[in-house]
Amino acid sequence: EAGVAQSPRYKIIEKRQSVAFWCNPISGHATLYWYQQILGQGPKLLIQFQNNGVVDDSQLPKDRFSAERLKGVDSTLKIQPAKLEDSAVYLCASSPSSDRSYEQYFGPGTRLTVT
Amino acid sequence: GEDVEQSLFLSVREGDSSVINCTYTDSSSTYLYWYKQEPGAGLQLLTYIFSNMDMKQDQRLTVLLNKKDKHLSLRIADTQTGDSAIYFCAEKFDSSASKIIFGSGTRLSIRP
Repeated sequence: EAGVAQSPRYKIIEKRQSVAFWCNPISGHATLYWYQQILGQGPKLLIQFQNNGVVDDSQLPKDRFSAERLKGVDSTLKIQPAKLEDSAVYLCASSPSSDRSYEQYFGPGTRLTVT
Repeated sequence: GEDVEQSLFLSVREGDSSVINCTYTDSSSTYLYWYKQEPGAGLQLLTYIFSNMDMKQDQRLTVLLNKKDKHLSLRIADTQTGDSAIYFCAEKFDSSASKIIFGSGTRLSIRP
């Protein structure tokens, strides 16, 4: 069974530029999560989807971050415009459903550096 | 409030047992998790425990939960060099949003 795929693995941009990350969850997983992991910290949930609907986006900085999962499968996370403090690893995870979070599987992450 | 705390570093000798500790603040947690993160990789779920359990054992891993003190520990028996990683404690609340809160991680290093 293929795992959670993310691309790109690394991205370097200048502040005020835009960037997008892509995630393909495990086949059949209804729940998809985007986390931000700043160096030296644990992951922080940005947004959680159940199929193509948003369950929790309370920690998503909506003035600059957006995410979508239009067909309930792949998802993209966008930052526009980026700030220096957005430098982090962005992790995507999926689980069969929101009440089976103990079966949450993580992708390798995208390391973003904003200069 | 929602907070999970761990010590930042732990160094053990190869073959010894490692014990990684974690404290959490919210007594309504439903699940408590231990994740492992190796350099450049995503998080791997090692084990989890329901809040109505005291202990869970899985091969070299033993999880102990003290609900009264809100203390969770992970014991790794016969620690090997492949166990070098950052270990994250996490808790999940009993809410419809099922948000998982992670600690800052404990970096485990193995001495020969």
